[in-house]
Amino acid sequence: QKEVEQNSGPLSVPEGAIASLNCTYSDRGSQSFFWYRQYSGKSPELIMFIYSNGDKEDGRFTAQLNKASQYVSLLIRDSQPSDSATYLCAVDTGRRALTFGSGTRLQVQP
Amino acid sequence: DAGVTQSPTHLIKTRGQQVTLRCSPKSGHDTVSWYQQALGQGPQFIFQYYEEEERQRGNFPDRFSGHQFPNYSSELNVNALLLGDSALYLCASSLGSGFEQYFGPGTRLTVT
Repeated sequence: QKEVEQNSGPLSVPEGAIASLNCTYSDRGSQSFFWYRQYSGKSPELIMFIYSNGDKEDGRFTAQLNKASQYVSLLIRDSQPSDSATYLCAVDTGRRALTFGSGTRLQVQP
Repeated sequence: DAGVTQSPTHLIKTRGQQVTLRCSPKSGHDTVSWYQQALGQGPQFIFQYYEEEERQRGNFPDRFSGHQFPNYSSELNVNALLLGDSALYLCASSLGSGFEQYFGPGTRLTVT
């Protein structure tokens, strides 16, 4: 079982819709959770982080964490074609070394 | 505010050669982590440097080594290159015990 699992996609949503990206992790000791966006040929860009159970909102982005279910998600409201990218979920188990999933490719159709 | 910088951008090496990649952290950051990203995969943690010491290491062979300088910049060295070492090498910086890591643009290494 992979430590951090994501559906590879592609996830296709129409412009203006809500995109929902999901991630599960195996280490119950995981403390910090991150979402990175990576455009093709570029490096990952940190867009959200969450440490506590519940929701965290930042502009059009909402991160949701459920430690009991070992599940973290990212919602993107009012999706734009410029949001088309690969979204990487990363988990820190407390050792300050991030473990990444393989990413979900999001396509926003104009 | 200067972000994370890496050099070179691209590099082509032959099997068996050695390579050195360089990273300067974001202004104010003191911790540097290195990751390897193969095509279609998420980044894999190589090691992390703090106060010029290797603080954490991932599942990479001893061919991968590093160094951190007093100005917090860092080098990644890979000896005896293999074809499988071809990847995007990413440097990420953070502040002390902070968990948010910010990536540089990466170095694309091709081993032929």
